[in-house]
Amino acid sequence: AQSVTQLDSQVPVFEEAPVELRCNYSSSVSVYLFWYVQYPNQGLQLLLKYLSGSTLVKGINGFEAEFNKSQTSFHLRKPSVHISDTAEYFCAVSERGYQKVTFGIGTKLQVIP
Amino acid sequence: EADIYQTPRYLVIGTGKKITLECSQTMGHDKMYWYQQDPGMELHLIHYSYGVNSTEKGDLSSESTVSRIRTEHFPLTLESARPSHTSQYLCASSPGSNYGYTFGSGTRLTVV
Repeated sequence: AQSVTQLDSQVPVFEEAPVELRCNYSSSVSVYLFWYVQYPNQGLQLLLKYLSGSTLVKGINGFEAEFNKSQTSFHLRKPSVHISDTAEYFCAVSERGYQKVTFGIGTKLQVIP
Repeated sequence: EADIYQTPRYLVIGTGKKITLECSQTMGHDKMYWYQQDPGMELHLIHYSYGVNSTEKGDLSSESTVSRIRTEHFPLTLESARPSHTSQYLCASSPGSNYGYTFGSGTRLTVV
């Protein structure tokens, strides 16, 4: 069975500073990996996904993530955050050929002016 | 614009009432899902459908039911609402596991 661990429930960071949100997964087979963002009172929006190929994946809003198979990690990064990045971020995993997705508990990113 | 719509956005109802949460998508996706979201907890899958007339219960036990008579429509019904049903309900759709999900804006349900 697949599982996802988001190591930080809250991450405060000053505006224009870099940020990394950590995600580790567990699976016995090959996986697809996703990051979603949820702004207040909205649904989740897909930020980026890793399917195969290059381990560095670029997404919307300047975010990127790196897949590390040996460490079973898929950490999300942004070199310079903006106030508008304040939101909750969810890591998710789906085993290849298996339609259901497992989500982490989310990491709240708070950007401080 | 292709999208996924949930109504109502907010709902406050009394215990014992029957309610239906609506979800419709215009993207022609075969796969649709209902998740329950509570603060500080992972999203829990409560129902899913891989096509018309196909519905399955998810990982989280739920007293709700769903139907999929048309590709674009996936309503969720609670026959008798209870305070323990208070939560946010998210509907999502996808053309396949490697595409990711498109989510609706959610319905925040409060049962008093």
